[in-house]
Amino acid sequence: GDSVTQMEGPVTLSEEAFLTINCTYTATGYPSLFWYVQYPGEGLQLLLKATKADDKGSNKGFEATYRKETTSFHLEKGSVQVSDSAVYFCALSSGTYKYIFGTGTRLKVLA
Amino acid sequence: DVKVTQSSRYLVKRTGEKVFLECVQDMDHENMFWYRQDPGLGLRLIYFSYDVKMKEKGDIPEGYSVSREKKERFSLILESASTNQTSMYLCASIPGQANQPQHFGDGTRLSIL
Repeated sequence: GDSVTQMEGPVTLSEEAFLTINCTYTATGYPSLFWYVQYPGEGLQLLLKATKADDKGSNKGFEATYRKETTSFHLEKGSVQVSDSAVYFCALSSGTYKYIFGTGTRLKVLA
Repeated sequence: DVKVTQSSRYLVKRTGEKVFLECVQDMDHENMFWYRQDPGLGLRLIYFSYDVKMKEKGDIPEGYSVSREKKERFSLILESASTNQTSMYLCASIPGQANQPQHFGDGTRLSIL
């Protein structure tokens, strides 16, 4: 069945460092891919999405490119801030109403 | 902007109690979901509803039931709460088409003592 694998955390970075959180997926067909962010004590918020191969989703300085050849959707940000500290979830939806989530990666950014 | 509201942020109940978690969305979405979130396990789907009075079991429906009497409201019911149901519960909704990003509530952190 469909699955999402993302790198385990926690990831600890200094402010202004470069961020990469890896996400790979297994799916039949052509899934839509999402990154969600969860701040402490809150639900998940959509960060960005991509619906087809080579699409690049971007928001708030975060980017991810839908790579069909490597079945990946890695999240990147050029310069992280303390306010980016949160848990990040990679997810896919492949044409049904079932959404598959990764286990989440906790990011901690130090001032 | 879509608003998904869960009735309680924190809830403490006792083993054996019947527990109701409520979720309301204000954007006329057809589809609503209940998940539980546990460390290291990500989000696991409990139940899904695609219309009023319509529901489908998710991956972990045992010990839970749901009710959708009105389009905007989706209730999760723990028939007889047990300590292994202590968790964060998240409600989400999407409009009619599949593959849309989900809109989540802020979650209910439920403790069963």
